[in-house]
Amino acid sequence: AQSVTQLDSHVSVSEGTPVLLRCNYSSSYSPSLFWYVQHPNKGLQLLLKYTSAATLVKGINGFEAEFKKSETSFHLTKPSAHMSDAAEYFCVVISYNNNDMRFGAGTRLTVKP
Amino acid sequence: DSGVTQTPKHLITATGQRVTLRCSPRSGDLSVYWYQQSLDQGLQFLIQYYNGEERAKGNILERFSAQQFPDLHSELNLSSLELGDSALYFCASSVQGRSTDTQYFGPGTRLTVL
Repeated sequence: AQSVTQLDSHVSVSEGTPVLLRCNYSSSYSPSLFWYVQHPNKGLQLLLKYTSAATLVKGINGFEAEFKKSETSFHLTKPSAHMSDAAEYFCVVISYNNNDMRFGAGTRLTVKP
Repeated sequence: DSGVTQTPKHLITATGQRVTLRCSPRSGDLSVYWYQQSLDQGLQFLIQYYNGEERAKGNILERFSAQQFPDLHSELNLSSLELGDSALYFCASSVQGRSTDTQYFGPGTRLTVL
């Protein structure tokens, strides 16, 4: 079975400083990995995804993630946080046949002025 | 706006009852997914349909069932409701239902079981 662990339940940064949200995964096969963002009272929106192409993935709103197979990690970064980035972020791992989809517990990002 | 619609937005019911949640996918998307989000369990994948057929199954209880109709909308039926079924239920859709597809999420249906 697959699993995904988001290492921080809450991250707080100041506006204009870098963001790092950490995600480790476990999978028997080459999975697809995703980061989704959920703003309050909204559905989830895709930030970026890794599907066995380039290991450095660029997403929307300046976010990036690097797939590191040796470390089984898929950490999300952004060089400079904006107030609008405050939200809940979910790391997701999906097996090739969709039979195993796992969400991390989520990381709540707070951005201070 | 993702293009995925869910009705109703809120639902309040009593234990033991049965409810139906409805989802309309984005235009052109053939696959629909259902998820449950609760404080206890986080986000859990329930079930996926592709073009009317069940494609994948997650942690869906036997009291829950779903189907996708010829017009591609989907319904999630929850029966013999328990207090613990109170949660936010999301529907998502994707073009082909592959593991690499982007899923587009609806705004959710908040179910409260009293």
